[in-house]
Amino acid sequence: EVKLVESGGGLVEPGGTLRLSCEVSGFKFDDYGMHWVRQPPGTGLEWVAGIKWNGDEIGQAAFAKGRFRVFRYNPEKTLFLQLSSLRPEDTAFYFCAREHSSASGRPVDFWGQGTLVTVAS
Amino acid sequence: YELTQTPSMSVSPGETATISCSGDELRTNYCAWYQQKSGQSPVLVIYNDDKRPAGIPERFSGSNSGTSATLTISGIQAVDEADYYCQAWDINTLYVFGTGTKVTVL
Repeated sequence: EVKLVESGGGLVEPGGTLRLSCEVSGFKFDDYGMHWVRQPPGTGLEWVAGIKWNGDEIGQAAFAKGRFRVFRYNPEKTLFLQLSSLRPEDTAFYFCAREHSSASGRPVDFWGQGTLVTVAS
Repeated sequence: YELTQTPSMSVSPGETATISCSGDELRTNYCAWYQQKSGQSPVLVIYNDDKRPAGIPERFSGSNSGTSATLTISGIQAVDEADYYCQAWDINTLYVFGTGTKVTVL
């Protein structure tokens, strides 16, 4: 069974940092690209960043550039998102998701349950 | 780069729901669709414009005419009540989700 479990969310002050983790199981992690997607409460989905199987970055959303970093550690089947210079508008549920292995357009076929990041003083 | 969807729609059980997604980048890129029920993570229901992942009911179908993609739910059921998002990838503008459509089954 494919599973993705995020952790690391919480309350952080504006300007602060946070590291999110996503531990996976049930599939060969180093065969897959991975993505982070966020969803502010009550609103829509926003892509944050993606990373290839080998650690090369697929890209980042404009709001993430210079502040967020996506990386992975394949031996421990874990994906990370380092958040820095956080702003109140970064408040959201952050989901990790697995990229479909054979589709075009990089859709994601499995999602974690999400971890909530709240940026407030 | 934006994919635009109708914010909401209401459909009676057994009828057909047609959800549209418009954007110029759909002309040269594939579209995927996700279903998100209240309080849950999204689920992929269509990829490559018209392919269904394993386990997705046949009543879900998709198409892409160029500047507009469509998700069709035939014989809609109460369990299909959810938010639906389109998504596309472009090598220049990268990864984008649509604005989302809330489907209510009355």
